[in-house]
Amino acid sequence: GENVEQHPSTLSVQEGDSAVIKCTYSDSASNYFPWYKQELGKGPQLIIDIRSNVGEKKDQRIAVTLNKTAKHFSLHITETQPEDSAVYFCAASMIQAGTALIFGKGTTLSVSS
Amino acid sequence: SAVISQKPSRDICQRGTSLTIQCQVDSQVTMMFWYRQQPGQSLTLIATANQGSEATYESGFVIDKFPISRPNLTFSTLTVSNMSPEDSSIYLCSVTGSHIYGYTFGSGTRLTVV
Repeated sequence: GENVEQHPSTLSVQEGDSAVIKCTYSDSASNYFPWYKQELGKGPQLIIDIRSNVGEKKDQRIAVTLNKTAKHFSLHITETQPEDSAVYFCAASMIQAGTALIFGKGTTLSVSS
Repeated sequence: SAVISQKPSRDICQRGTSLTIQCQVDSQVTMMFWYRQQPGQSLTLIATANQGSEATYESGFVIDKFPISRPNLTFSTLTVSNMSPEDSSIYLCSVTGSHIYGYTFGSGTRLTVV
């Protein structure tokens, strides 16, 4: 089955800096790669996703890149703000086949002002 | 998109008892999944709830401990049986389908076993 590795487990940055979180996946059939943000006491919220037919996707300060050959994808947050502080999870699935998301272990991002 | 109502939102239970969690979706969905999130951990897939047949469990999870029902395309239940403090977690249901963008998650059930 699919296995998703996520690094780093913790990340501390200064406000305004960029943050990068990286994930690798094992199943080359996976074709859907979302990123979730989870704040304390809340459920995971989708912040951006990418499908295997696209190499990069941007949404304001957030971008995701995908390298299918290397089987890794990354989340990039620019101009970080204190409200970006949360736990971020990457995940992978074969969405067209209706398989479940398999999650990475998460990254705790702390943005200090 | 889909809207999920998950109940209860939280509960405190005595060890040895069982709790049934409900997941109601406002539209018919193809796939429903149950996850566990232990304190400070990631989401771990428990099982895929199959409509009209037995659920498909992931390694480390068994039907006797986590029986699942899915009587139709909009509803599923997860029971946590014979609970111990180690079962204290957040349990979440998730759905996907042709009319849903990506996956939708319920708000979760925060379970504490004492």
